Amino acid sequence: NAGVMQNPRHLVRRRGQEARLRCSPMKGHSHVYWYRQLPEEGLKFMVYLQKENIIDESGMPKERFSAEFPKEGPSILRIQQVVRGDSAAYFCASSSGTGGETQYFGPGTRLLVL
Amino acid sequence: AQSVTQLDSQVPVFEEAPVELRCNYSSSVSVYLFWYVQYPNQGLQLLLKYLSGSTLVKGINGFEAEFNKSQTSFHLRKPSVHISDTAEYFCAVSKAAGNKLTFGGGTRVLVKP
Repeated sequence: NAGVMQNPRHLVRRRGQEARLRCSPMKGHSHVYWYRQLPEEGLKFMVYLQKENIIDESGMPKERFSAEFPKEGPSILRIQQVVRGDSAAYFCASSSGTGGETQYFGPGTRLLVL
Repeated sequence: AQSVTQLDSQVPVFEEAPVELRCNYSSSVSVYLFWYVQYPNQGLQLLLKYLSGSTLVKGINGFEAEFNKSQTSFHLRKPSVHISDTAEYFCAVSKAAGNKLTFGGGTRVLVKP
């Protein structure tokens, strides 16, 4: 039973390029969450999705960031025109439901913007 | 909105000594509470969670935590640490029946021989 998978594990982009981060939830999980961990800080919630729906995007920056979780395939976090401040570890988590259900985390994607 | 404060950013401790990591939260609604551990360059792993019932919660790897509603705390303890417990520990809350987790800033535990 594979856990949450994220790829790539490491991503280097130059300022102005696009970054695409992928997350495959655990088998049977239909709830996906994205969190960002800036250097020396805790994790901050970004967005919560279910299949084909964004449920809560209250933590997403207003510009350049978008997320999707299509009917088929992984969830994608997309960052357009990256800037140095986007350098961080991006973690995806999945759960089978809400209301205290455990969120299982992937290994993260470490984004470095040069 | 909820917030979580982990009072200690770093805790050095000798092997086989006890350790306590402090966590306080604030919320205007009922919450669920979690402790996660993050080993270097890895994702987070759940240690334990409190949803309801007994305020003393036992988790994996010998960790336990006690929910104190009056003090809005959820401190994590282990009676005897191992070198392998060296990691960063995060306390988190979510609204009861909610979804997103709000994390504290983390506590780095360094276990020394």
